[in-house]
Amino acid sequence: EIVLTQSPATLSLSPGERATLSCRASQNVGSYLAWYQHKPGQAPRLLIYDASSRATGIPARFSGSGSGTDFTLTISSLEPEDFAVYYCQQRSNWPPVGTFGQGTKVEIK
Amino acid sequence: QVQLGQSGAEVKKPGASVKVSCKASGYTFSSYGISWVRQARGQGLEWMGWINPYNGNTRFPQKFQGRVTLTTDTSTSTVYMELTSLRSDDTGVYYCARENDFADYWGQGTLVTVSS
Repeated sequence: EIVLTQSPATLSLSPGERATLSCRASQNVGSYLAWYQHKPGQAPRLLIYDASSRATGIPARFSGSGSGTDFTLTISSLEPEDFAVYYCQQRSNWPPVGTFGQGTKVEIK
Repeated sequence: QVQLGQSGAEVKKPGASVKVSCKASGYTFSSYGISWVRQARGQGLEWMGWINPYNGNTRFPQKFQGRVTLTTDTSTSTVYMELTSLRSDDTGVYYCARENDFADYWGQGTLVTVSS
């Protein structure tokens, strides 16, 4: 079973700063990786799929990169609404097997 | 527009079962899989399983194999998730999500509380 490890667990930043979140897979997942944003009391929201493609309606300040085992989600300039928990999820198998990482909380410094 | 509407909150005793529904609208139901994801209290997101409404095929992680059952009713475009042998650490919010390679639309979540 593929394990996803996210780092750091918590990122304390101020609005306007750049956020860089990491996700490492225990095996090669190609580009089959997604990023989700999750806020309290809301459903998760798909941000990035196929490692680097922005989902519909996602602002350009969100970008994803990487392939194989190492992936990065970058938020170029944090807006107040971006403070949330972010999860990566892998889809290397078919039919889907949807392992999540443990999450990175982006909090206001 | 694509919508997934889930059933309401449930309170169950340890050892009981819970069945949560997810009614899809705004797209061709049989063309997309449905996954179930939960957030147990104080924990992160956890994938529980997937079903193909077209043929009923399912896939589960080892942790939930044998304890989770997914079924569909194509006449009402509804997917059901049943979790058995409930424990207190099953308390949390359960989500269904449409699968388009990744989970692009989500239900609003259903709170399941397991308490004696």
